[in-house]
Amino acid sequence: QQQVKQSPQSLIVQKGGISIINCAYENTAFDYFPWYQQFPGKGPALLIAIRPDVSEKKEGRFTISFNKSAKQFSLHIMDSQPGDSATYFCAAGSGNTGKLIFGQGTTLQVKP
Amino acid sequence: NAGVMQNPRHLVRRRGQEARLRCSPMKGHSHVYWYRQLPEEGLKFMVYLQKENIIDESGMPKERFSAEFPKEGPSILRIQQVVRGDSAAYFCASSPLSGSNEQFFGPGTRLTVL
Repeated sequence: QQQVKQSPQSLIVQKGGISIINCAYENTAFDYFPWYQQFPGKGPALLIAIRPDVSEKKEGRFTISFNKSAKQFSLHIMDSQPGDSATYFCAAGSGNTGKLIFGQGTTLQVKP
Repeated sequence: NAGVMQNPRHLVRRRGQEARLRCSPMKGHSHVYWYRQLPEEGLKFMVYLQKENIIDESGMPKERFSAEFPKEGPSILRIQQVVRGDSAAYFCASSPLSGSNEQFFGPGTRLTVL
């Protein structure tokens, strides 16, 4: 019940295309859903996050879509750039505990 | 405005030795989380600490692992009698509020056990 399932495991997108990564969770107590970006040898960097009171949040080229009834959320990267090539992790957390449960990660490659 | 700092960045130990990993949270943050990342995997929660208190250690292995966050100084993750399976990247994150999920990660310590 604590799992967060992320797909796809890897993704190749052409420059200018849309990258879409999906996550699903089971625990309805989760109330915070962030996405992190990680480059090789670096720590995860908080990209964007959403709470379940909204269905979509947009920051620049990054958008989170959230479907509470389906217990799913996704990250959309518009106009993908080679510099976006990294590993992306979704996560879920509950305000009661503070800890984050991470998905398995998606390795994104944006081809020039 | 310095971010979360971790040292050392790389640590090599032989089996049976002790590993000490240090984490200094962002300025103004008093909540620290430790996560472990095995190769090609996501991050796994280990422990959540506030100053001088362990709040949640549900992800910590029962033996050989311990963590502290003293009143003064950095948080320490200590692994005694390391084994090869302890080889991983260990990340520390900090947050400003109690129970806040908004966490900012450090660069990690990559532990290699020979």
